[in-house]
Amino acid sequence: DAGITQSPRHKVTETGTPVTLRCHQTENHRYMYWYRQDPGHGLRLIHYSYGVKDTDKGEVSDGYSVSRSKTEDFLLTLESATSSQTSVYFCAIRANNEQFFGPGTRLTVL
Amino acid sequence: KNQVEQSPQSLIILEGKNCTLQCNYTVSPFSNLRWYKQDTGRGPVSLTIMTFSENTKSNGRYTATLDADTKQSSLHITASQLSDSASYICVVSLSNSGYALNFGKGTSLLVTP
Repeated sequence: DAGITQSPRHKVTETGTPVTLRCHQTENHRYMYWYRQDPGHGLRLIHYSYGVKDTDKGEVSDGYSVSRSKTEDFLLTLESATSSQTSVYFCAIRANNEQFFGPGTRLTVL
Repeated sequence: KNQVEQSPQSLIILEGKNCTLQCNYTVSPFSNLRWYKQDTGRGPVSLTIMTFSENTKSNGRYTATLDADTKQSSLHITASQLSDSASYICVVSLSNSGYALNFGKGTSLLVTP
């Protein structure tokens, strides 16, 4: 698992509430990514980071923000969760020209 | 429009049999093509990665082929095992993308006893 952990692993929340998902890596990799995975879609990039405080948008960034104040942590925030953000969220790191994925967080927005 | 198309969408085979999964892509310019295996409830795990100059890559019982001219790839699984039951995802990387990946929707494989 390339030293990647995600927390929480499961979360149920209500529409309109803020939610923060955490990705933690132990190997000091520069690039980190957040994806969402939904039935009928391939994995889609939400945001990525190429260093501390350096982030950029992916193809489905609306409704999401990220922060990276330390190399090891990449946070994904849903400021006001909506039902369309019910999904499985994967964090990934880049190492040796490969991407390695975390175990995922299953988020349900009621 | 998804630029990476996989077929079949799902497949059921008997344990011990071989199978081949297909991937067609329109992504250009092409950098490399990867196959990932994703077990239920887990993150994807890389099986193979091929650049445009490679046309075959093996990883144990998994063999990936690439035809960059026709923009097609296949993943062949030999002597399938129950543990091969998973989703197999084809991923294409652009050469000038800053490492953006284009993911297929995956083929769901079920190996039955």
